[in-house]
Amino acid sequence: AQSVTQLDSQVPVFEEAPVELRCNYSSSVSVYLFWYVQYPNQGLQLLLKYLSGSTLVKGINGFEAEFNKSQTSFHLRKPSVHISDTAEYFCAVTNRDDKIIFGKGTRLHILP
Amino acid sequence: SAVISQKPSRDICQRGTSLTIQCQVDSQVTMMFWYRQQPGQSLTLIATANQGSEATYESGFVIDKFPISRPNLTFSTLTVSNMSPEDSSIYLCSVAIGGPYEQYFGPGTRLTVT
Repeated sequence: AQSVTQLDSQVPVFEEAPVELRCNYSSSVSVYLFWYVQYPNQGLQLLLKYLSGSTLVKGINGFEAEFNKSQTSFHLRKPSVHISDTAEYFCAVTNRDDKIIFGKGTRLHILP
Repeated sequence: SAVISQKPSRDICQRGTSLTIQCQVDSQVTMMFWYRQQPGQSLTLIATANQGSEATYESGFVIDKFPISRPNLTFSTLTVSNMSPEDSSIYLCSVAIGGPYEQYFGPGTRLTVT
């Protein structure tokens, strides 16, 4: 069975500093991987996705993620965060059976 | 992408009552999904809403508790029946566009059961 682990429930980071949100998955087959963002009182928005090809995936708002098959990881990074990045970030995986499994989320706090 | 709206955005309901949540999409989509996001938790898929047939429910969710309608390709409803405080959650609908793996979410319905 698939599972997704987001190791950090909350990540505080100063404005303009870099950030990495960690995500590890388990699956016995090939997977597709996603990061979603949920701003306060809003629904989820797709940040980026890995389906195949280059392991470095660029998304919206300056975010990128790297698929590492050997470490079964898909960490999200941004070189310089802004206050507007304050949100909850969800990593998700599917093994192509139409069901997406979500991690528990990481709340990103931007400190002034 | 798609523009997805949900009604109501939030509600406070008494235990034992039912609430119907509406999901409207601005384009025709084949696949629509309903999720539950309990406080401090991740999203859990309740069911896949199929147009013209019964919804497909995930383990732990049953039609009597969460009846779903999908009368056309742009609209679906989820009813939370005989509510208890444990049903207090955010309920989100999503649609798949460009393949089943790219899902776009509505803003959610925040339900509180007292």
